[in-house]
Amino acid sequence: DQQVKQNSPSLSVQEGRISILNCDYTNSMFDYFLWYKKYPAEGPTFLISISSIKDKNEDGRFTVFLNKSAKHLSLHIVPSQPGDSAVYFCAAENNFNKFYFGSGTKLNVKP
Amino acid sequence: DAGVTQSPTHLIKTRGQQVTLRCSPKSGHDTVSWYQQALGQGPQFIFQYYEEEERQRGNFPDRFSGHQFPNYSSELNVNALLLGDSALYLCASSRTPDRDEKLFFGSGTQLSVL
Repeated sequence: DQQVKQNSPSLSVQEGRISILNCDYTNSMFDYFLWYKKYPAEGPTFLISISSIKDKNEDGRFTVFLNKSAKHLSLHIVPSQPGDSAVYFCAAENNFNKFYFGSGTKLNVKP
Repeated sequence: DAGVTQSPTHLIKTRGQQVTLRCSPKSGHDTVSWYQQALGQGPQFIFQYYEEEERQRGNFPDRFSGHQFPNYSSELNVNALLLGDSALYLCASSRTPDRDEKLFFGSGTQLSVL
């Protein structure tokens, strides 16, 4: 049972433009959401998070939006850079440190 | 400051064999979680260890077992290996009960079962 879904396996964006990665979840008990970035041959690294009591969190070029009624979150990267090319996973938590991950979106930022 | 370290990086086993994977958490972290990442999928939670006990478990059979040592390092054991156990096994550490402390992942152990 996939409780966190990323329906776009890949995304290609021109350098300098906005990248929007989407994620949907089914469990309304999730109260904490994160985005991780993964390069080949490395473990996932934390990017940005948001609590369910907020609808937006911003950190530099990265902004996460949460729509609880739609059970949807998105990650915006502005402006996109070639170094952002990686696989992005969204994750959700409802029990301490037990995370449910989506299947990932591979972002390619073209120079 | 060393992050999460895992060993070995790669492993090849045959069906029916047993395997042990090892993990040292990030300095200051006391909680270790193990995840399985199959090709093209996201990481799936196997179990979590805190204070040398299994605190939470995902939907994995009893063939998957673990251990945490007094120095917080951890082992993941898989018995009676199946072809479907081929995956990247990720160890993640965190600090209980600090919920703002994010999961830190190691680079993983790539297990191939032939």
